[in-house]
Amino acid sequence: QVQLVESGGGVVQPGRSLRLSCVASGFTFSTHVMHWVRQAPGKGLEWVALIWHDETNKYYADSVKGRFTISRDNSKNTLFLQMDSLRAEDTAVYYCARANYYDTSADYWGQGTLVTVSS
Amino acid sequence: QSVLTQPPSVSAAPGQKVTISCSGSTSNIGNNFVSWYQQLPGTAPKLLIYEDNKRPSGIPDRFSGSKSGTSATLGITGLQTGDGAYYYCGTWDISLSAWLFGGGTKLTVL
Repeated sequence: QVQLVESGGGVVQPGRSLRLSCVASGFTFSTHVMHWVRQAPGKGLEWVALIWHDETNKYYADSVKGRFTISRDNSKNTLFLQMDSLRAEDTAVYYCARANYYDTSADYWGQGTLVTVSS
Repeated sequence: QSVLTQPPSVSAAPGQKVTISCSGSTSNIGNNFVSWYQQLPGTAPKLLIYEDNKRPSGIPDRFSGSKSGTSATLGITGLQTGDGAYYYCGTWDISLSAWLFGGGTKLTVL
């Protein structure tokens, strides 16, 4: 069965960096587009970034552009999100999600990892 | 304020039908497929509808999706108390080169 397991969350001071990981299993990771989506406490879903299966294209939300970098290691079935220059407003649960082949909607989601940016 | 507009809340009685709208523009809904997600309290979102009106395996046919122009609609029939959750629409925006989610709609099954 498809599984996505995020890790790397925690408490970090404003301005510092954090790297999230998402290990995938149960499907051919190297053929799927992948998303990062976040949800601030008590708020709705906010899309963060998307990466093509072969890393040839990457897209970012304006709110994180220039500060966050999405990447992947297909040999290790792992998706990453490098978060630099973190701000208080980046505090959220971060989900990785698999995009389906048809319309890149997010068909499987991880359980999420909490990132808290606070001094 | 989200580019995709959803009503903040809807409510209906068990057994009834409810619809949730998602309004966008030609740069998103008007030219891309819409998907819908259900998020129960304390859990990760779950895909309900993709490609405007298709259901993934395991999603009951009580859930349906439709689209007309720059608006999409999620329909839920035979409401159950367990359907109480937040529902989000999502689609790609060509102009922004970004995926979008609606602001979310809280469904209360009275």
